[in-house]
Amino acid sequence: GESVGLHLPTLSVQEGDNSIINCAYSNSASDYFIWYKQESGKGPQFIIDIRSNMDKRQGQRVTVLLNKTVKHLSLQIAATQPGDSAVYFCAENNSGGGADGLTFGKGTHLIIQP
Amino acid sequence: IAGITQAPTSQILAAGRRMTLRCTQDMRHNAMYWYRQDLGLGLRLIHYSNTAGTTGKGEVPDGYSVSRANTDDFPLTLASAVPSQTSVYFCASSVLGRDSIYEQYFGPGTRLTVT
Repeated sequence: GESVGLHLPTLSVQEGDNSIINCAYSNSASDYFIWYKQESGKGPQFIIDIRSNMDKRQGQRVTVLLNKTVKHLSLQIAATQPGDSAVYFCAENNSGGGADGLTFGKGTHLIIQP
Repeated sequence: IAGITQAPTSQILAAGRRMTLRCTQDMRHNAMYWYRQDLGLGLRLIHYSNTAGTTGKGEVPDGYSVSRANTDDFPLTLASAVPSQTSVYFCASSVLGRDSIYEQYFGPGTRLTVT
């Protein structure tokens, strides 16, 4: 299958600054995208999702942007905190509503500098 | 509510041995999944189940089997373990609605080492 990937494996930001994590996907049939946060030794934790009929979705301190023209997905985290340090994965689903699992990117390690 | 539980937490297994990783969810989700996570490769789908009684193959199904006898349990079996199956295994579940996909909830993982 086609893959979901990430531009940068590690991102270092100052505490209080905004973070932007990017993701490129190649399957134009993908219709659902999710961002997960994974802390060391734990399972992935849902952050936010977006469907292909949307360009932007906001949550608490997080925003996901979807650009279908260039097949690009980004996660913006406002006013980053030490607790935001983790690996962030984007994932896609292109099963048209079916539950055949997600295709994950390789992850970006977000490091918060004090 | 416990969510998703996995057992064991970790295991060291001799090559050639049979092993079943257990996964139980109490959220009455109809869909369940098994992923493996390896450094540099992210999470990859092994098998999935849309509903009790049905299963399907994911991206990396070889060497693994699953069953879904009821809604809550989704065990993953390695019939004859090999070192390349050393990984962290995550079970997940989600609600599946008609024409809708919902977020997947992940368990804490099982760290398996095959020697």
